[in-house]
This record gives sequence, structure tokens and C-alpha cells, in this order.
Amino acid sequence: GAVVSQHPSWVICKSGTSVKIECRSLDFQATTMFWYRQFPKQSLMLMATSNEGSKATYEQGVEKDKFLINHASLTLSTLTVTSAHPEDSSFYICSARDWGRRDNSPLHFGNGTRLTVT
Amino acid sequence: DQQVKQNSPSLSVQEGRISILNCDYTNSMFDYFLWYKKYPAEGPTFLISISSIKDKNEDGRFTVFLNKSAKHLSLHIVPSQPGDSAVYFCAARVQGGSEKLVFGKGTKLTVNP
Repeated sequence: GAVVSQHPSWVICKSGTSVKIECRSLDFQATTMFWYRQFPKQSLMLMATSNEGSKATYEQGVEKDKFLINHASLTLSTLTVTSAHPEDSSFYICSARDWGRRDNSPLHFGNGTRLTVT
Repeated sequence: DQQVKQNSPSLSVQEGRISILNCDYTNSMFDYFLWYKKYPAEGPTFLISISSIKDKNEDGRFTVFLNKSAKHLSLHIVPSQPGDSAVYFCAARVQGGSEKLVFGKGTKLTVNP
């Protein structure tokens, strides 16, 4: 079945540094990927939609200059948290859909990245 | 404004019994609903879905019911097993083909042996 791989699974960084998170679709092409964030005991909140070959679409309240998204190929999207601060500590999850399937297949999620900013 | 609500943060049931997880929504433009299961430190795993034109979808031990007039859906797990213990998220998709999902806060299900 479709698999979405996310790396790293966890990262600890110092305040002010940048962190890059990778999301790969392993056995299908994904022209669109989605980046979610989950704070403790909260729902997954969509941050942005990553579009292959074009600019990402950000949800209201998400700073595009802080959360840089690059979708350079049909199987890879990256999220870079720039100048990270402790309040950016969260669980970041990417997702993608196998558009090659004709049925109404659901979004598949990566295993997430636990970011801790000290 | 929470468009998808899971009002029970937790649920505990005995093995072999039925688990019923509830979800309410406010946006009448949702046309597709999904349930995801999530273990700690992992991403959500798709469980079952239902289109807004249906009122029931069944897959093995899992059944999802949709009541459009009440803007309510529920997930039934029968019989419940200890391995079902996880956080269950209800998610909804806005009509129009977008893949953007709106999630509830989740319900932590514990199935006791």
C-alpha cells in the first residue's frame, strides 16, 4: 500500500536555529502534500498545502516566512522551521494522497516529527 | 471555531464489548468523513470513511454511521479488542474535491482485557 515516510522522527534544536523535516511518498507520486501540526491534547491542524513545482498555500495564521515549504519533486516535500523558538515545539505530520488511484483513497500520513526547541 | 468536535476525550470499554466513538460537525459543506487511528509518536492511520450520501459504511469490526440531519457521525467497534486502544480522530473534508481535512481533537479509547 501507499506509504509516506517522514524524517527525522524527532529532533531537538536550540532556539534561533533552523530545522528541516522531509516527507517522502515511497511508492506513489504526490503532486500535493499537506503539513499538519499537533499540539498536546489538540487536534491536527493543517498548516499548509505543498504543491509540486509551485508555491505552497498557507493556512490563515501560519507564517510562510517562518515555515518554508519546498516541493521540488513528485515524491518529496520539505518543511523548514526557521529561527525556531520554544513555542514552535510540536508534532509535525505530513500527508499525501495517491492520485494514481481512481478510488476515493484517503490521505496517508507520515509518522510525524517531534520537534523540541530548547 | 471547532468545526469538528469530539466531545469525549476518553472512553474505556471491556474487551469484547462495543466501543462507540462520537463526532459532531457544524459545516454543512463537508462531503466526506474519515476516522483515523493514532498511536503515540506515530502518524494517524486511516481506518474507515463514509461519503455524505450514505448513512452507513461497514468494514469488518468497524462501522461508521452518519446522521446528516443531526450533523453527527459515530464509529462502532464490535467486538472491541485490547489492540484497538489508541486515539481516534474524526476528520471531515470540505465539498469541492480539496484534500484538506479538518480534524477533531480525538478520543482516547482504552480497551481493557
